[in-house]
Amino acid sequence: AQKVTQAQTEISVVEKEDVTLDCVYETRDTTYYLFWYKQPPSGELVFLIRRNSFDEQNEISGRYSWNFQKSTSSFNFTITASQVVDSAVYFCALSPLIIQGAQKLVFGQGTRLTINP
Amino acid sequence: SAVISQKPSRDICQRGTSLTIQCQVDSQVTMMFWYRQQPGQSLTLIATANQGSEATYESGFVIDKFPISRPNLTFSTLTVSNMSPEDSSIYLCSVPGQGKETQYFGPGTRLLVL
Repeated sequence: AQKVTQAQTEISVVEKEDVTLDCVYETRDTTYYLFWYKQPPSGELVFLIRRNSFDEQNEISGRYSWNFQKSTSSFNFTITASQVVDSAVYFCALSPLIIQGAQKLVFGQGTRLTINP
Repeated sequence: SAVISQKPSRDICQRGTSLTIQCQVDSQVTMMFWYRQQPGQSLTLIATANQGSEATYESGFVIDKFPISRPNLTFSTLTVSNMSPEDSSIYLCSVPGQGKETQYFGPGTRLLVL
């Protein structure tokens, strides 16, 4: 069975601090995809990143960076110099199967991140 | 990126009634997915809507409760039948992005059942 665990239910930091959101996953698939989504208070899900299981290179996009470690089944997300606008619930997700190119996602429980001014 | 719209954006319904949620995409997609997000919870896949065939339901979800239509490659509906307060959730449709690199979500339908 596939499972995604986000052990941090809530995180609160002061603006400009760096913060790391943890994600650990379980799967028996040899090929899989990992995602991060942001859900701001408005409720929509904003796609942040998708990584393939065979590509363990870390990714950086502006203040965002992702650390994928297959050996520990982790896909952690770091926000550098956090801003109040980063306040949201962040979901890590796993795609256990590709059906004609589309993905059925298994989501973690989410981490509510609050950035205080 | 895919542009996805959902109607209604929110609704308040009485128990025992049914609500049909519409999902419209601005491009043709083979697969559309319906998810549920209960209050304060994560997202759970309800079913995969296939064009030209019956929807495929995940464990714990049945067609009688959540009938789905997929009349063409840009549109799908999800009906929440015989509603109870436990059905109060956000319902989201999802489609793959161009090049299958992403999975996009609609804005969601917030449902409150009294």
